[in-house]
Amino acid sequence: ETGVTQTPRHLVMGMTNKKSLKCEQHLGHNAMYWYKQSAKKPLELMFVYSLEERVENNSVPSRFSPECPNSSHLFLHLHTLQPEDSALYLCASSQDRTSPNIQYFGAGTRLSVL
Amino acid sequence: TQLLEQSPQFLSIQEGENLTVYCNSSSVFSSLQWYRQEPGEGPVLLVTVVTGGEVKKLKRLTFQFGDARKDSSLHITAAQTGDTGLYLCAGVKGSQGNLIFGKGTKLSVKP
Repeated sequence: ETGVTQTPRHLVMGMTNKKSLKCEQHLGHNAMYWYKQSAKKPLELMFVYSLEERVENNSVPSRFSPECPNSSHLFLHLHTLQPEDSALYLCASSQDRTSPNIQYFGAGTRLSVL
Repeated sequence: TQLLEQSPQFLSIQEGENLTVYCNSSSVFSSLQWYRQEPGEGPVLLVTVVTGGEVKKLKRLTFQFGDARKDSSLHITAAQTGDTGLYLCAGVKGSQGNLIFGKGTKLSVKP
């Protein structure tokens, strides 16, 4: 148990569906992250929130929309996804963004887009 | 071009063997972390190294940060089946910034 909980663990959706991924951290951290993990690629950072403010958006398509209502919760809203968006989506949190920036990860949501 | 290169990509060994995996870069990092990820789970932090030349031991695992803070290695002594997983290195450049991950080394330890 890392203190970061992601739901759902598995999600299958059609290309026209709208769904949301949820992340909750119980560590009192100030920074939260969304990553995409695909086979044969390093973890790709998607979004960074610090003190509930989005500080980074790494050229992620607009079909992915993050939301951070408070420092403990992070959402990733999905709509009109493509099959190549199928991947493991990981949420992480850290105390802040100063080095060494130790991050604690959730177990991920395995997403399949049909 | 990958900023952090990990090698080997795959490693399959018998229980009881020793192994070393590497994480190399041409860039300097202020800190470097090693994570292990098991199937169906997120990465779990093993160690953080911040000083060039630093060596840290975690039971049978020995981590080393290069003197120039550009590379790192992980050595496992007498591997066990429970060591099976994806080993990821990740570094931070500068005093504040994002983690940059390597692609990982997938280790399989057979009984």
